[in-house]
Order: sequence, then structure tokens, then C-alpha cells
Amino acid sequence: KAGVTQTPRYLIKTRGQQVTLSCSPISGHRSVSWYQQTPGQGLQFLFEYFSETQRNKGNFPGRFSGRQFSNSRSEMNVSTLELGDSALYLCASSWSSGTPAGNTIYFGEGSWLTVV
Amino acid sequence: AQKVTQAQTEISVVEKEDVTLDCVYETRDTTYYLFWYKQPPSGELVFLIRRNSFDEQNEISGRYSWNFQKSTSSFNFTITASQVVDSAVYFCALSVRVTSYDKVIFGPGTSLSVIP
Repeated sequence: KAGVTQTPRYLIKTRGQQVTLSCSPISGHRSVSWYQQTPGQGLQFLFEYFSETQRNKGNFPGRFSGRQFSNSRSEMNVSTLELGDSALYLCASSWSSGTPAGNTIYFGEGSWLTVV
Repeated sequence: AQKVTQAQTEISVVEKEDVTLDCVYETRDTTYYLFWYKQPPSGELVFLIRRNSFDEQNEISGRYSWNFQKSTSSFNFTITASQVVDSAVYFCALSVRVTSYDKVIFGPGTSLSVIP
């Protein structure tokens, strides 16, 4: 069974540009979450999607957005990139029936974003 | 509010030593779930274990063991006879129910270095 797949794995962008990251969850998983990881801030929750709807959102500015498609694949977008957006962006998926049950979340390898 | 504390920021041990990673959590929920993840330098968080709040049995899996104590709100992780491949950042996480979804709170992580 394929794991969570994220693309691209590495990318370099210039300040002011925008970036789109893609995530394909484990087959059958309908919940997709995104996290930002930086050395100084640790793992920070961005947002979570279930059945194309955003269920939960972290404390990030509106420049960070996401969406989920009908096949559960998800994308996140960061507009007007800042140097501080340089980070590892992790996508995670879990099997969810829509009822909270402490389902295990499985992570992808992440997308390493460098903003110069 | 919920919180996960991993007081040990960095630990360094010599190969074959035993090491325990501490995790203390805070929640008023009676139903919750606890997790441990391993993050090697490649970036992907690898799921290690899931425990629900009603199951206080200790768990052993090869060289790994987990001690869950509700009385002290702790879920500690011990690696026996550590190996260089155990070098990674380890995250403890708490999952609680919030209306229609699971809220997952990660600890700051403990960086383990196993020296040959």
C-alpha cells in the first residue's frame, strides 16, 4: 500500500513568489492535514481537510491556503512568500469516518521549501 | 487546553546504552489517544505507537517499550540497547476529540543522538 506522497520534495523560491505543494494521501484516507516544521518553531499545524471541507485551521496568515479534491488529494498554497516561510511542509493523512476516534495520522516525506 | 511536554530537548547516548524519552501531557478529556513518532534526517515522521486513554498496559516491540501512566500523565518511551539507526527526533503527540474532528497536539520533540 503506497504511503503519503508529496511533491515536489525540494524547491527554491524567491521572496514575493507563490508556491503550490501537492499531497496524495494513503488510499482510502479521507482526512488530510498539513504541518509546517521549522527548527525554531517545531511542528505547527496549518489546516486539516475532510471530504473537501476544511475542518480545522491553525494560526497562520491568510497567505497560507489549501484545498482538497474529490479524490482526497490535497494542495496547499503559499502566496507572497517571505524568508520565514522556509521550512519543511509535511502532509499527513488518516482514515476518518467523520467521527473523531483518535485515528493514526501517517506522514509523507515532506516538501523542503527554501525562500531566497 | 491541551499540552504535550517533552522536557528533554537533546539526548546523547553511546551505542548499546538504554535511553528513555519522557512525555508528559495535559488534558481534561477522559478519552484521548497518545502517539509516538520518529523523524529521521530524511524528514518523514514515522508512526511508532498509538495508545488510548483506557489502555494502560505497557507495550514492548523489539527494543522499544512504552510506559503509560495516567496517574502522572506520562507516556514515556524507552529504547533498549540503542543503535546508531535510532538517531532521530522523536515526537510525542496527544489526540483529543473536538466536536467533529480530532485535534492533535505535538510535543516539541526530543533529538536523540546515538554515538557509535
